[in-house]
Amino acid sequence: GAGVSQSPSNKVTEKGKDVELRCDPISGHTALYWYRQSLGQGLEFLIYFQGNSAPDKSGLPSDRFSAERTGGSVSTLTIQRTQQEDSAVYLCASSRRTDSGANVLTFGAGSRLTVL
Amino acid sequence: AQSVTQLDSHVSVSEGTPVLLRCNYSSSYSPSLFWYVQHPNKGLQLLLKYTSAATLVKGINGFEAEFKKSETSFHLTKPSAHMSDAAEYFCVVNFNKFYFGSGTKLNVKP
Repeated sequence: GAGVSQSPSNKVTEKGKDVELRCDPISGHTALYWYRQSLGQGLEFLIYFQGNSAPDKSGLPSDRFSAERTGGSVSTLTIQRTQQEDSAVYLCASSRRTDSGANVLTFGAGSRLTVL
Repeated sequence: AQSVTQLDSHVSVSEGTPVLLRCNYSSSYSPSLFWYVQHPNKGLQLLLKYTSAATLVKGINGFEAEFKKSETSFHLTKPSAHMSDAAEYFCVVNFNKFYFGSGTKLNVKP
């Protein structure tokens, strides 16, 4: 597609429920990132996929968070047993590669998650 | 270890005066460097990037940044602030993975 597409754009859920957030990166982009931005805060790195390599999960805040990337394209971020502190905007970004200086991260519009 | 530091969490300037947003990085080699901007309730937009060509990089909306290897800095500047520049600015470094600074919120007073 022309840009990074994220869905849903807004999600309201009850505490304890599971949620799935989807990211469709730009076609041909091999690197995909998930970030979290809480109200008034900066970007918190969550997870990074690069091609067929094992993902870098070092930013996931707890084992309730997981992510998959199927076929090197679409990614799903899953949050199990949501808590109120999970409320944030979840941003997805993609780039061609990250070992070349010319590459740029392109962001999606984000998925705003509200946990009641 | 690689890291990126934005020295000011908030900067306030008057319209028409210069803007300086500071960014320092630590690395054993010259990385690729970027500035992104996020306007209120908007997505992140690339402002400019440095990729080892010219050390003075020009971006959109009159912004520019200078890469100074000796100072490990990549400060963002604009000669004359406009009200529409009010936003949050992120310095980003690519060391085989993209690392974001904590952000600087720019306030522009009329």
